[in-house]
Amino acid sequence: QKEVEQDPGPLSVPEGAIVSLNCTYSNSAFQYFMWYRQYSRKGPELLMYTYSSGNKEDGRFTAQVDKSSKYISLFIRDSQPSDSATYLCAMRHNQGGKLIFGQGTELSVKP
Amino acid sequence: NAGVTQTPKFRILKIGQSMTLQCTQDMNHNYMYWYRQDPGMGLKLIYYSVGAGITDKGEVPNGYNVSRSTTEDFPLRLELAAPSQTSVYFCASSYSENWAFFGQGTRLTVV
Repeated sequence: QKEVEQDPGPLSVPEGAIVSLNCTYSNSAFQYFMWYRQYSRKGPELLMYTYSSGNKEDGRFTAQVDKSSKYISLFIRDSQPSDSATYLCAMRHNQGGKLIFGQGTELSVKP
Repeated sequence: NAGVTQTPKFRILKIGQSMTLQCTQDMNHNYMYWYRQDPGMGLKLIYYSVGAGITDKGEVPNGYNVSRSTTEDFPLRLELAAPSQTSVYFCASSYSENWAFFGQGTRLTVV
């Protein structure tokens, strides 16, 4: 079983839709959770960063962590064509070290 | 600040050749990572380092070697290149358990 599972999509939505992206994980030692956005032929860039459980909001983006279910989510409100990218979840242990990524979900927002 | 710099950006290797992918960061980060990204497969960790002189294997270390003689540099060595090593390689760095910053990637083709 992979440590981090993410539906690769692709996911296509109309402009203005609410997008939900999700990851599940198997290792209960993960404490730091991140979402990265990667545009085509570019390196990933950090979008959201959360420590332990709870919600975090930044503009149109909301990250949720449910450690009891080993499940994290990223919500994008009022999606825009510029949000079209691959979204990767990532997580690491409390003791630092390895940063493990999901497969990434390819999102396309149609005008 | 330049951030994380990778060289070269592109390279074509013949089977059996060797090469070193260079990575340098100017943020004084203690953690550094090498990932490879294949289409639809997300980022797979090759090697990582938690500080100068300390390296450890990730998920897919076979066929690669690393060294970390300084805080700034973390080169990745490919010995006896194989077609299976055709991929996009990303170097990243972070300060302890914080999020990682990525370079722009090296596209490697082995023919």
